[in-house]
Amino acid sequence: QVQLQESGPGLVKPSQTLSLTCTVSAGSISRGDYYWAWIRQHPGKGLEWIGYFYYTGSTDYNPSLKSRVSILIDRSSNQFSLSLKSVTAADTAFYYCARAPWIQERLPFDYWGPGMLVTVSS
Amino acid sequence: QSALTQEVSVSGTVGQKVTLSCTGNNDNIGSYVVAWYQQISPGAPKTVMFGNALPSGIPDRISASKSGTTASLTISGLQSEDEGIYLCSSWDSSLSGWVFGGGTKLSVL
Repeated sequence: QVQLQESGPGLVKPSQTLSLTCTVSAGSISRGDYYWAWIRQHPGKGLEWIGYFYYTGSTDYNPSLKSRVSILIDRSSNQFSLSLKSVTAADTAFYYCARAPWIQERLPFDYWGPGMLVTVSS
Repeated sequence: QSALTQEVSVSGTVGQKVTLSCTGNNDNIGSYVVAWYQQISPGAPKTVMFGNALPSGIPDRISASKSGTTASLTISGLQSEDEGIYLCSSWDSSLSGWVFGGGTKLSVL
């Protein structure tokens, strides 16, 4: 079954860029039947969808973060990455990558990575 | 504030049946498939129900239903391993993204 794994720095300084990578195994990110996304969870709080990409290269982002977020794809490594600019303490959260099937309709996430805590602090 | 509304907490005794609810609107639950996740802190959400389908390894004590803009998750024969926070989620056409409930903390007494 597919596995997702987040990686990147666990500590980022304020005003810098948060960069995380999701490595997907046992499943190609270039298949047309899945969307691949980033979600975050502030400690003790609910989940917030950040953005997604589709194998065609199309992306979309949560309007609340759109001005600071981008998702990039590395097909050769079967990875996709998250870049969040100008971070503040409010961006401290657990960050997850996840997969959502596409079967002629938008479906929820079925597989998630284990997540990683990113702390924004000087 | 979460887009989908869930009870803050629900409790039950071993062997009991409990039902959790998730209320949205016609932009999300009313129009799209709902998934339910169990989250045990610390840890990632684990899919326990995908629409009406049980993922592999999830006991058939768990079932789901949807009526209009409210989805429900029922756990029968409650066991201690069922404890955790349960979250619901679906696509939202007004956001053009996925929305989540705030989560229900299930305690098994």
